[in-house]
Amino acid sequence: AAGVIQSPRHLIKEKRETATLKCYPIPRHDTVYWYQQGPGQDPQFLISFYEKMQSDKGSIPDRFSAQQFSDYHSELNMSSLELGDSALYFCASIQGYSSYNEQFFGPGTRLTVL
Amino acid sequence: AQSVSQHNHHVILSEAASLELGCNYSYGGTVNLFWYVQYPGQHLQLLLKYFSGDPLVKGIKGFEAEFIKSKFSFNLRKPSVQWSDTAEYFCAVNGGNQGGKLIFGQGTELSVKP
Repeated sequence: AAGVIQSPRHLIKEKRETATLKCYPIPRHDTVYWYQQGPGQDPQFLISFYEKMQSDKGSIPDRFSAQQFSDYHSELNMSSLELGDSALYFCASIQGYSSYNEQFFGPGTRLTVL
Repeated sequence: AQSVSQHNHHVILSEAASLELGCNYSYGGTVNLFWYVQYPGQHLQLLLKYFSGDPLVKGIKGFEAEFIKSKFSFNLRKPSVQWSDTAEYFCAVNGGNQGGKLIFGQGTELSVKP
């Protein structure tokens, strides 16, 4: 079965650089969630999209932006990177926008900021 | 504030031992409760979930969890662990009408010795 795809899997950037993370949901899934997991920390919700519109927003820095495209894939754009942005970023997808639908997670992108 | 607390950060067991991982939550209103597992190098996978009804829910791979509303708890149990259960376990909640974003606990790393 198709799963959630994230690219790249690993990314190394310097401080103040920009990064773009991509998430490709399971086919026919129209909702994407982004989470950030710092070293030794619990995953934190960043932002979600449903039908190409932002549906909810969590603890996402102003330096970050995201969008969902017509094919439902989503991109997380991160600018002016800081050391503290080093984390595992993973996305999840569901069909429909509901608390009752199981979220399917991608493998994550591990971002290292030097 | 909404939060999830997992009591054990690292649990070490021998094969065939019984497992119980604690999870308490703080959340106003209707909650849905989840346990996710992350095997080494893999993505988060759903073990089980509770929405309503029987507070004792059974999941995959012999896991079960009991929702005790009066204690705001959703502990995960397995009568006899196997080496292959070595993984990190996350308890998570979302609200019944909050569009699905998950609030995670800190995770419990389980190591099972053969």
